[in-house]
This record gives sequence, C-alpha cells and structure tokens, in this order.
Amino acid sequence: DSGVTQTPKHLITATGQRVTLRCSPRSEDLSVYWYQQSLDQGLQFLIHYYNGEERAKGNILERFSAQQFPDLHSELNLSSLELGDSALYFCASSSRTGRQETQYFGPGTRLLVL
Amino acid sequence: SQQGEEDPQALSIQEGENATMNCSYKTSINNLQWYRQNSGRGLVHLILIRSNEREKHSGRLRVTLDTSKKSSSLLITASRAADTASYFCATASGGSYIPTFGRGTSLIVHP
Repeated sequence: DSGVTQTPKHLITATGQRVTLRCSPRSEDLSVYWYQQSLDQGLQFLIHYYNGEERAKGNILERFSAQQFPDLHSELNLSSLELGDSALYFCASSSRTGRQETQYFGPGTRLLVL
Repeated sequence: SQQGEEDPQALSIQEGENATMNCSYKTSINNLQWYRQNSGRGLVHLILIRSNEREKHSGRLRVTLDTSKKSSSLLITASRAADTASYFCATASGGSYIPTFGRGTSLIVHP
C-alpha cells in the first residue's frame, strides 16, 4: 500500500459526459502528479501540482483540467468524454519537487467510455 | 514521445532463473528509475540510480547504468512467481524532474 488513495476504482460512462477523479496523496507529500495509461500510448504524464499550484503540464487535453485543494487532495476533471479517453488514470505523490524524487502511485481509476 | 524504451517487450522464464530487462534512452539524464506494475495496479518504485552511479543493488535487484551507451539494465535474480509484472524504466532529463516512462517489459515467471 503506497498510502495514495484514488476514487472511484472503476467508472463507466458515456461519450459526451463529464467525470471527476479524486486523489489523496500521502500525508507528508505536497506534490501530486496525474498520469494516463492506455494500451496504445503507454503511461503519459498529464499534470503536476505542488502545494496547490500547477507546476508542470504534459500531454493534457484542453477538455481535461485538474486542481489541488488546500488539504492537498487533487481532482482531475474530464469533460466531453470520447471513446479514446478510456484508460487507467493514476495519481502519484512525492515529498518534494526536485531532481531526485520517488513517486508513490495510487491504485488508479479505470475509466471506460461507452 | 517516450524517452526510455524497454527491451524485451515480453519475457517468460521459470522460477529460479534470472531475468534481465534493458532500457535505452535518447538524451542525457539526471537519473533513471525502475518501477514495477502488477496487472491493473499502480506502479511501485523499485530503485533510482543517479547519472553519476554505475550500479545499484536492492535485495534481489541489480541495476546498472551506462551513460555512454545511454542504457540501463535491471536484473532480478532467483526469480519468483510473485515477480510476474510489468517493469518500466523512467528517466528525467535536462531541467525537467518529470519522469518519462517507457512502455515496459512484461515479465512472466512460471512456477
């Protein structure tokens, strides 16, 4: 158990819908990262938050947005969902922003868009 | 694009054998990390090796780094069925601290 929690575990929804994925980092961590893992794209970095502020953006679509709240939990919002958004979404937390950091991954949310 | 690429894509061995996976990358790195992922689960950090290190051990794991060849290897000795998982290398390079993951090696250890 990494100490990072994600809810829900599974999500099935229809195209065009909007969903919110939630992540609670380890209690000592200020950083939250979001990743998307699909069969064709592998593990793709989406976005990084540190202590409530956005620090880096990766391959995140404009239909997706995220935020980190004062209690450090984070939410990833996916809107106007398409079939291709079906994937595993992971969050990871780490204790600092730096060049040598270990990320602790949550169990993931499996999203299926029908 | 992926920075690190693992090889082989899939590896099937018997329990007790050693498993070796390789990772090649394109640009100079700050560090390289190996992660394990059990089917459908989150990634678990195994080991981090800095760019100025050549070898690191952790239990049955041995990681080497050859910056001249831009490659790393992960050796799992005396494999067990519980080692069955996908193994990913992740690199951070330049001014970025964000790790970029390869597509992974799928390891199956038969009991």
